[in-house]
Amino acid sequence: QVQLVQSGAELRKPGASVKVSCKTSGYTFNTFGTAWVRQAPGQGLEWMGWVTNSNGDAAYARKFQGRVTMTTDTSTSTVYMELRGLRSNDTAVYYCARRNYYDSSDFWGQGTLVTVSS
Amino acid sequence: DIQMTQSPSSLSASIGDRVIVTCRASQDIRKYLNWYQQTPGKAPKLLIYATSTLQSGVPSRFSGNGNGTGFSLTISDLQPEDFATYFCQQSFTMPLTFGAGTKVEI
Repeated sequence: QVQLVQSGAELRKPGASVKVSCKTSGYTFNTFGTAWVRQAPGQGLEWMGWVTNSNGDAAYARKFQGRVTMTTDTSTSTVYMELRGLRSNDTAVYYCARRNYYDSSDFWGQGTLVTVSS
Repeated sequence: DIQMTQSPSSLSASIGDRVIVTCRASQDIRKYLNWYQQTPGKAPKLLIYATSTLQSGVPSRFSGNGNGTGFSLTISDLQPEDFATYFCQQSFTMPLTFGAGTKVEI
């Protein structure tokens, strides 16, 4: 069955970086892409960008350009999202999700809580 | 960026009710509209993509409609497991954007 399993919760200080992993299984990794979506506490969903699993081509929301990098490792079917220059309002649950028909996200990871606090 | 406006922000309903959630896009997004369901502490779950195509495994009491800028999600015969927050998402152009959500409560 399709699974996306994310790395565990992280605590970072303002200005630091965080790298979240998303290990996939149950489907042909190179056939799909992966999106990253975040959700601040009690808030809605925010799309950050996506990456083509086969070649690592990525596109980011303008808001995150220059601070985020999404990469893939085809040997382990794992996707990574690194966010730099963390601020307190980056505190959120970060989700990876498989990109599918009409660019919807049909399978999601369990989420990774990133807390930014001094 | 395309703004997605959902209404209502919350609603109260009972088991067996028919519930309609609407979503309006700030510009034409053709049929590139997706619906997700989220329960507390869980990841969103895809219900419907491309306005009206039911994701595999989703009960047929969920249905979607619309085109262009106006869309709706209908839940007929509301079940206990349907009490959740529902989000629309446009996937017509980047950045993909979500509505603010509609919380369906008892």
